[in-house]
Amino acid sequence: NAGVMQNPRHLVRRRGQEARLRCSPMKGHSHVYWYRQLPEEGLKFMVYLQKENIIDESGMPKERFSAEFPKEGPSILRIQQVVRGDSAAYFCASSPDLFTTEAFFGQGTRLTVV
Amino acid sequence: AQSVSQHNHHVILSEAASLELGCNYSYGGTVNLFWYVQYPGQHLQLLLKYFSGDPLVKGIKGFEAEFIKSKFSFNLRKPSVQWSDTAEYFCAVNADNAGNMLTFGGGTRLMVKP
Repeated sequence: NAGVMQNPRHLVRRRGQEARLRCSPMKGHSHVYWYRQLPEEGLKFMVYLQKENIIDESGMPKERFSAEFPKEGPSILRIQQVVRGDSAAYFCASSPDLFTTEAFFGQGTRLTVV
Repeated sequence: AQSVSQHNHHVILSEAASLELGCNYSYGGTVNLFWYVQYPGQHLQLLLKYFSGDPLVKGIKGFEAEFIKSKFSFNLRKPSVQWSDTAEYFCAVNADNAGNMLTFGGGTRLMVKP
């Protein structure tokens, strides 16, 4: 059973470009969480999704950031018109249901904006 | 909103030394508590967790943590560290009003000298 898979592992974008980060949850998991880790800081919750639904996006910046988890395929975190301050490690976690209070993390995507 | 603070950002120890990493949280309600470890270049792995019951929790690789409710603390301990314990350690809290979302501390980078 493969773990949570994130790709790419490293992503470099120029200011103003779009960044797309992908997360495939563990098999059988329908709940996905995205976290961001800024340099020298802890992980900060961004968004919680179930299949085709955003459950909680209280940690998402109001502009330029969006997330989806379609019925088929991976969850996507999309950052439009990236700025230097978006440089961070983005982690995805998944869990099988709402009642399992343990999430399994992927290896993260390190985004660098140049 | 809950918050988590880890007192030490960087810790350097020699092999066989004892380890204690501090973690305090602020939230007045029921919490679930976690310690995660991130080895260089790898994903976050769960070391141990506390949901209820015995406040002294034993995890993998010889780690343990003690939940002291009166102090809002969940310190991580290991009697004798090894070089392979070199990693970053994150304390995290899941509050009873936050679904499965985790609030992380800023992390502690541990370096164990051989």
